[in-house]
Amino acid sequence: QVQLQESGPRLVKPSQTLSLTCSVSGVSISTGGYYWTWIRQHPGKGLEWIGSIYFSGTTYDNPSLKSRLTISIDTSRNHFSLKLSSVTAADTAMYYCAREQGGYNYLDNWGQGTLVIVSS
Amino acid sequence: DIVMTQSPLSLAVTPGEPASISCRSSQSLLPSTGYNYLGWYLQKPGQSPQLLIYLGSYRASGVPDRFSGSGSGTDFTLKISRVEAEDVGVYYCMQSLHTPRTFGQGTKVEIK
Repeated sequence: QVQLQESGPRLVKPSQTLSLTCSVSGVSISTGGYYWTWIRQHPGKGLEWIGSIYFSGTTYDNPSLKSRLTISIDTSRNHFSLKLSSVTAADTAMYYCAREQGGYNYLDNWGQGTLVIVSS
Repeated sequence: DIVMTQSPLSLAVTPGEPASISCRSSQSLLPSTGYNYLGWYLQKPGQSPQLLIYLGSYRASGVPDRFSGSGSGTDFTLKISRVEAEDVGVYYCMQSLHTPRTFGQGTKVEIK
């Protein structure tokens, strides 16, 4: 059974970098055919796609965040990561990691999410 | 970016009655593959979203057959044939033809 689990600091100060890791179990992250994805949800709001990464390291970023965003993958640890720099209160959100099936392009497995608050 | 527009934004349904949610995209989601790159997701209260429908009309594994997806191009519909109490939550459509992937605003379904 595929499981994804987000981890990282829950509180980040403004102007600093938000860093999250998604640990994957039940499947090797280096298996082709999947795009490992980050999505966020501002409190009480809808879903926003942040970006995704293939096992090869190819990334797809949301242009609205691109200048601040780094998504990376570590196949040896079977996890992928998100870094968002220069955060503000507007980056306070629930952050989800998910797996997208390549080719059919649907998100079939999601982590439980982690709430990150940006505050001094 | 492709803009996804859902309607209605909220819906109160009597158990056992049908429900329908519309999703429209600003561009066609039907390329030459013949598949519509449109998915439906349900976010139950306090939970992560879960996949219901992919490629416009294919039910995900384990999803009850009271859920069905239809439509093509820019107009899509999610139907629940007989709403049950466990179906409450927010329903989102998401286009996956282009990046950035984009979601509809969400439709909150409640039980009367």
